[in-house]
Amino acid sequence: GNSVTQMEGPVTLSEEAFLTINCTYTATGYPSLFWYVQYPGEGLQLLLKATKADDKGSNKGFEATYRKETTSFHLEKGSVQVSDSAVYFCALKTGGGNKLTFGTGTQLKVEL
Amino acid sequence: GAVVSQHPSWVICKSGTSVKIECRSLDFQATTMFWYRQFPKQSLMLMATSNEGSKATYEQGVEKDKFLINHASLTLSTLTVTSAHPEDSSFYICSAFPGGDTGELFFGEGSRLTVL
Repeated sequence: GNSVTQMEGPVTLSEEAFLTINCTYTATGYPSLFWYVQYPGEGLQLLLKATKADDKGSNKGFEATYRKETTSFHLEKGSVQVSDSAVYFCALKTGGGNKLTFGTGTQLKVEL
Repeated sequence: GAVVSQHPSWVICKSGTSVKIECRSLDFQATTMFWYRQFPKQSLMLMATSNEGSKATYEQGVEKDKFLINHASLTLSTLTVTSAHPEDSSFYICSAFPGGDTGELFFGEGSRLTVL
């Protein structure tokens, strides 16, 4: 079956630090990969996605590259801000449906 | 982006009572909505897929008589936890699919249920 493994949090960084949140997956077929972000008190929002190998998703300074050889989709940002503090979920989808398989989420705390 | 709203955001109830959680798509029509459950430090677990005007499709291991799902209109799906027990305490999240090629889902803010 499908599964997503994320690094455990919380991750605490100083403002302007470099961020990496690791995500690896197991899937049947060729999944689409997603990062969702959940800000305090809000619902999950799509941050970025990649639908095939070697694609790079990017948004709001965040990037993730679909690596088929390592079955990974690590989230990176070169310089985090306090406003990036949130919970980040890696997810995948296979087939033509809309069922998402999520990782456990990684809480990011950015301090001044 | 599209907005999905859940109500209530949190609810406390006594064991044995039933609780209804609503999920509304505020500015789009959703033919399909999904209900998830999230335990502390665990991933979102898909409970069921709700299609407007038809019976929900439950994931393996989810009791359909325990978690009643109704999707009576294109903008509203409800989850009713019947005869709730403390082990049903959890964070319940819905998402809605507006259709289209992007496949993007829009999520509610979640509802925290505590059963005493």
